[in-house]
Amino acid sequence: DAKTTQPPSMDCAEGRAANLPCNHSTISGNEYVYWYRQIHSQGPQYIIHGLKNNETNEMASLIITEDRKSSTLILPHATLRDTAVYYCIVRDLYNQGGKLIFGQGTELSVKP
Amino acid sequence: GAGVSQSPRYKVAKRGQDVALRCDPISGHVSLFWYQQALGQGPEFLTYFQNEAQLDKSGLPSDRFFAERPEGSVSTLKIQRTQQEDSAVYLCASSRIVGLAGTTDTQYFGPGTRLTVL
Repeated sequence: DAKTTQPPSMDCAEGRAANLPCNHSTISGNEYVYWYRQIHSQGPQYIIHGLKNNETNEMASLIITEDRKSSTLILPHATLRDTAVYYCIVRDLYNQGGKLIFGQGTELSVKP
Repeated sequence: GAGVSQSPRYKVAKRGQDVALRCDPISGHVSLFWYQQALGQGPEFLTYFQNEAQLDKSGLPSDRFFAERPEGSVSTLKIQRTQQEDSAVYLCASSRIVGLAGTTDTQYFGPGTRLTVL
């Protein structure tokens, strides 16, 4: 079973920041937080991952709380092409062979 | 491009038919994963290969499902005697390596094969 909880849906205005929350209260010390997104009729696309420090790349920023029980994915300037289902995944690289366990995700709708 | 490719993209089968789904991973990628995604759900893990070795098949739903990767590159997911509940999108992903040291390697997904069983 997925170890994360996400809101089922969110709306965001085009050009504004999209902040997608994720709860992972049972995360353990060797588990990473990964974010993927899936645009309609495509395969999931990697966005970003982190262990305990905040991370930023060209797509997004990942903010992980100090206790690591929750995180937020930030898309700084959402565009219509960011409309997708966003999955927050806790990934144990040591015990699961690296497989991804997806939950239901958050369906983000970016509106003009 | 040099991404993961899957074929066919769409497959319609009559109940009871056998089907074979193909995955071409990114060249040189050691690890290969298969996932099943039912309508409106997140993908679910089926099986995992490291080179030609199938190291985890815990997600295969029944013995009608069989996967192989004989030369450590292309993989085939075979479903025998298809049932309506097998209707789903089948996703393949590859990554460079999953090391014992827990390297944080990215999985790259193909576009999937949509299987419809009538």
